[in-house]
Amino acid sequence: DQQVKQNSPSLSVQEGRISILNCDYTNSMFDYFLWYKKYPAEGPTFLISISSIKDKNEDGRFTVFLNKSAKHLSLHIVPSQPGDSAVYFCAALSGGSYIPTFGRGTSLIVHP
Amino acid sequence: EAQVTQNPRYLITVTGKKLTVTCSQNMNHEYMSWYRQDPGLGLRQIYYSMNVEVTDKGDVPEGYKVSRKEKRNFPLILESPSPNQTSLYFCASGSDRVNSPLHFGNGTRLTVT
Repeated sequence: DQQVKQNSPSLSVQEGRISILNCDYTNSMFDYFLWYKKYPAEGPTFLISISSIKDKNEDGRFTVFLNKSAKHLSLHIVPSQPGDSAVYFCAALSGGSYIPTFGRGTSLIVHP
Repeated sequence: EAQVTQNPRYLITVTGKKLTVTCSQNMNHEYMSWYRQDPGLGLRQIYYSMNVEVTDKGDVPEGYKVSRKEKRNFPLILESPSPNQTSLYFCASGSDRVNSPLHFGNGTRLTVT
């Protein structure tokens, strides 16, 4: 049973528009969430994270929102750029664990 | 430069021929892990290690072995590879600081015929 779900396998967005990638989780023990970005032929790289004590974290064009009551988080990219085209993985941690639970990823394509 | 290095990047082998994929990190990380990525299934953990001589099974350990004799190295061993182990493999490492993100290698594309 998936504890971290990314229900959209792919997303296509026009350059300059907002990209919204969604992630849902079922385990209420998760208290820290991360987004990783993966380009073809490379390993995933850390993008942004959020603690459960916050509802928003912003880093440049990237913002992650957390809705604990809905067990939902989203990654917003504004404005989207063609270089943002990649697979995005949502991951969750609980209680200071080293072992993240990953979602299955969403492939984002940003069209020029 | 801080990095996780996997070798080889590409490997084609035949069923039953033992192989080892090496992984090394230069960040003095305690935690290391192996994942496989398959279409539609995301990243699935094979094995992980919390420190030297400490290893444990992940979600999909069958058909794999690992060892952690030194802190920096965490090889993945396939004693008798089968076609269902054809996949993209990633090694990752992380520090013991709470909630620190993982650092991934660039992957090994394995094909077993």
